Amino acid sequence: DAGVIQSPRHEVTEMGQEVTLRCKPISGHNSLFWYRQTMMRGLELLIYFNNNVPIDDSGMPEDRFSAKMPNASFSTLKIQPSEPRDSAVYFCASEFSGNTIYFGEGSWLTVV
Amino acid sequence: KQEVTQIPAALSVPEGENLVLNCSFTDSAIYNLQWFRQDPGKGLTSLLLIQSSQREQTSGRLNASLDKSSGRSTLYIAASQPGDSATYLCAVRPSSGNTPLVFGKGTRLSVIA
Repeated sequence: DAGVIQSPRHEVTEMGQEVTLRCKPISGHNSLFWYRQTMMRGLELLIYFNNNVPIDDSGMPEDRFSAKMPNASFSTLKIQPSEPRDSAVYFCASEFSGNTIYFGEGSWLTVV
Repeated sequence: KQEVTQIPAALSVPEGENLVLNCSFTDSAIYNLQWFRQDPGKGLTSLLLIQSSQREQTSGRLNASLDKSSGRSTLYIAASQPGDSATYLCAVRPSSGNTPLVFGKGTRLSVIA
């Protein structure tokens, strides 16, 4: 398997623009997680899905953030409108039933 | 609410030294604990996973221990090498196996040749 695949790897966008981050989890995994990493706050869980169903989105900072998982092989994290304080690395990760978790390489977002 | 702390935030050691990284957590009711490595610009790679019933796990030069009652784990790296330079993160999974990991902020390790 190619692992967890995220796109884009890097994005620079202007404040107010919509940003869509994409994730393809490992085939057969039933849980998918979106994390955000910054120097100040470390790794923060934004939202996670079990069997494509959102379980806990309490980590989503504001209504500007939304996430979907339309099927077992694809998820998106959308920020609309984006703000400079959203600049961070966004990681997608997947696992099967509480076993070893696998992370993607991350999407590096800069909002100017 | 579970909180995970890693001390020190950064560590620099000469090559060949044995070293210990520390992790503490506030709620001892955990399902498992994992240690990860993160290289600059990369994602996290799982190094060792310790189930709540286990006391330690070993992989090559790495040994992780778990003391649930005191809320502590250590990652021991033997005979450190420059290639070990990375950030090491500790994460705990709360009591239910289907809940997400809670991460510490990591220890940034530099091994000097």
